[in-house]
Amino acid sequence: EDQVTQSPEALRLQEGESSSLNCSYTVSGLRGLFWYRQDPGKGPEFLFTLYSAGEEKEKERLKATLTKKESFLHITAPKPEDSATYLCAVLSRPSFSSGSARQLTFGSGTQLTVLP
Amino acid sequence: DAGVTQSPTHLIKTRGQQVTLRCSPKSGHDTVSWYQQALGQGPQFIFQYYEEEERQRGNFPDRFSGHQFPNYSSELNVNALLLGDSALYLCASSQGHRQETQYFGPGTRLLVL
Repeated sequence: EDQVTQSPEALRLQEGESSSLNCSYTVSGLRGLFWYRQDPGKGPEFLFTLYSAGEEKEKERLKATLTKKESFLHITAPKPEDSATYLCAVLSRPSFSSGSARQLTFGSGTQLTVLP
Repeated sequence: DAGVTQSPTHLIKTRGQQVTLRCSPKSGHDTVSWYQQALGQGPQFIFQYYEEEERQRGNFPDRFSGHQFPNYSSELNVNALLLGDSALYLCASSQGHRQETQYFGPGTRLLVL
């Protein structure tokens, strides 16, 4: 069974204070790892997809990296508008029982607060 | 380009009632997945529809059922509501059931009293 663990559960940063969020995973063959941002009461907003160890993706102040066991979301010089919950999800290769359909398995998220 | 839309935005029901939630996928997408998100938790997969058929199902009871229409829109039905069904229900769409990246709608907040 696929498992995703995110840490820390909550993180408070001062504006400009860089940090990293962690996502460790256990899957039976990784098809993709996804990062989403979720604002309170809203649906998750897609950020990145990573497919193989060593891959990196960047968008503004965010940079996602992937190893064989975990992914990091690095936040450089964050601003208050970066405050949100960041969700990590994995997609595993289909098994005989799952057929070809895809399902995402999510972690519980890291709630990031950036103080001005 | 219209994204994923869901209706209604909020809903209040009482225990034992039935509810129907609706989702229209992003333009060009033909696959719809439904998720339940409890407060403070990550979304949990309910089921996925492609070509008007349920392709995969998560660990949810038969009280949860769905449908996909020829225009790719989808409904989620929940019967015999329990207090524990209170959650944010999210719809996600993708292009083809083998396409990995899923785009989420704003969700429907269901409160069961």
